[in-house]
Formats: sequence, structure tokens, C-alpha cells
Amino acid sequence: GDSVTQMEGPVTLSEEAFLTINCTYTATGYPSLFWYVQYPGEGLQLLLKATKADDKGSNKGFEATYRKETTSFHLEKGSVQVSDSAVYFCALTDRGGGGNKLTFGTGTQLKVEL
Amino acid sequence: GAVVSQHPSWVICKSGTSVKIECRSLDFQATTMFWYRQFPKQSLMLMATSNEGSKATYEQGVEKDKFLINHASLTLSTLTVTSAHPEDSSFYICSARVGRASSYNSPLHFGNGTRLTVT
Repeated sequence: GDSVTQMEGPVTLSEEAFLTINCTYTATGYPSLFWYVQYPGEGLQLLLKATKADDKGSNKGFEATYRKETTSFHLEKGSVQVSDSAVYFCALTDRGGGGNKLTFGTGTQLKVEL
Repeated sequence: GAVVSQHPSWVICKSGTSVKIECRSLDFQATTMFWYRQFPKQSLMLMATSNEGSKATYEQGVEKDKFLINHASLTLSTLTVTSAHPEDSSFYICSARVGRASSYNSPLHFGNGTRLTVT
């Protein structure tokens, strides 16, 4: 079945540091890939997405590139802020599975300190 | 746009009682809504797919009689946790996709979740 593997957290960084959160996936079909962010006490918000190989999703300074050859979708940001502290979820929907089911990774908590 | 509203945001109930959680799409119609459960420090697990005007589709291992789902209109789905027990305490999140349910490239929009505590 489909699965998403994320690096374990928490990840603690100083403000303005470079961020990478690794995400790899397995899927039977040709998935679309997403990053969602969850701020404390809130639901999930879509951060960015990519629907085909070599696509780069970007939003709010965050980027992730769909790498089919390495089955990866790593999240990066050049300079993090305290306000970026949240839990980040990598996810996929598989076209072969009908596209309705969103499979999530376990989430990576990011803490940014001054 | 694409706002999903969930109510209540938190609820405390006694063991044996039932709790209803509402999920509304405020500015779009959603023929399909999804209910997730999130355990502390864990990922979201899909519980069921709520289909407007028909029965919900439950994931394997989810008790249909315990987690009742009703999708009576294109903007409202409800999840009722019946005869709640402390092990049902969790964070429940609903979501909906704008457009046709089969549009896999269309992202899901999530409610803010409901924190259920059963004492």
C-alpha cells in the first residue's frame, strides 16, 4: 500500500537557519504530493503541492520538488522564522487509488527559537 | 475561499454519553467530506469518507456503529461518537475537497479540528 515516511522530530532551529525536512514515499500509482502545516490547536493547512515529476511547489518561502527517481519530496526553507514553528505533514494521493484518500506521514515538529 | 468550519472546537463529556461534531463547508459545496482522527504526536488516520445523500464509507478497523456519520446536505457532515469511552479521546478533523470528488489534484481543506475528552 501507499506510505509516506518523514524524518522524526522535533527539529529545533535558530531563527534564520536553513530548514530541510525529509519526506519519501511509496505508491502503487502516480501520486500527487503535498505538504500540510498544523499550527498549535488548529487543523491542517495546505502549504504546497506538486502533481508530477520535477514539479516544484512553493509557498511562503517554503519549497519542495517532486523527485520521482528518488521518490522524495523534501521540504526546504532558506531562512526560518519563529512563526514557522508548527508540525509539518507530508502527504500523497494516489491516482491509482481513486485519488480520494490522502495518506499522511507521521509529521515533523519544527521549533524555531530566537 | 474554501473554508471548512468545524464545531465544537473542544468538548468534554462523560463516559457513556454521545457527542456530535459538525463539519460545514462555508463557501463551497462538498459532495464528499472526510473524517480523520489524530492521536497525540501521531499522524492523521482516515476514519471514513462521508458521501452526501448516501452511506459513509468506513476504513478498515473503524466501528460503523460507534462513529455515526451523516451527510444530509452539500455543506454539512456530522460525526457522532456514540457511547463514548476514554479511549475515544482524540483530535477529530474533517476535510473537504472543492470540486468533484475524483479531482485528486485538488487539495483537501481542513477544519480546525475538535478536541474530544471523555472522562
